[in-house]
Amino acid sequence: DAKTTQPTSMDCAEGRAANLPCNHSTISGNEYVYWYRQIHSQGPQYIIHGLKNNETNEMASLIITEDRKSSTLILPHATLRDTAVYYCIVRSSGGSYIPTFGRGTSLIVHP
Amino acid sequence: DSGVTQTPKHLITATGQRVTLRCSPRSGDLSVYWYQQSLDQGLQFLIQYYNGEERAKGNILERFSAQQFPDLHSELNLSSLELGDSALYFCASSVAVGTTEAFFGQGTRLTVV
Repeated sequence: DAKTTQPTSMDCAEGRAANLPCNHSTISGNEYVYWYRQIHSQGPQYIIHGLKNNETNEMASLIITEDRKSSTLILPHATLRDTAVYYCIVRSSGGSYIPTFGRGTSLIVHP
Repeated sequence: DSGVTQTPKHLITATGQRVTLRCSPRSGDLSVYWYQQSLDQGLQFLIQYYNGEERAKGNILERFSAQQFPDLHSELNLSSLELGDSALYFCASSVAVGTTEAFFGQGTRLTVV
């Protein structure tokens, strides 16, 4: 699976959009981009995933660049409860898969 | 609520002891994963089971073992406990081995004193 690079930490004002970048320049054609988050001491929570089209669900939007070498997770109206570590994971479709988490981005949403 | 249930939520035990952590996966999920997260450390994959059989092993110590039962619940056994085993232990489940997202329980916080 392709390696990902994320900033160590970010902050965002409550009510504003939080844009979390992820670089995955070695991604291959059949690899998906997944995002999880982990609120302090809780289990990780799946957020969203995509292949090449932009995706949106009730939690967030995922924007993948046309060359697929990077993506951005967007929390449109961040709240204090969105303070968490956000993990970007790239994995190939099919086959056995073990969710593997790097260091992620620590997002702090402040009042 | 992810649908994955882990018990107990907290466990305090002494060095040298043995404990068992339990995980009930989401209804219909056949695959179970165990992870360890020490203080300020990332999530370390330990082991995966699928429909009762071991499918993948990560950084699991020989003192640790796991199994998945016919009703699909899983147990992680930790023996000869050391202070360094103090951590959060998470269980996750997914529908299949190569599936999309995994759903995590709330974890068991183990403290070894």
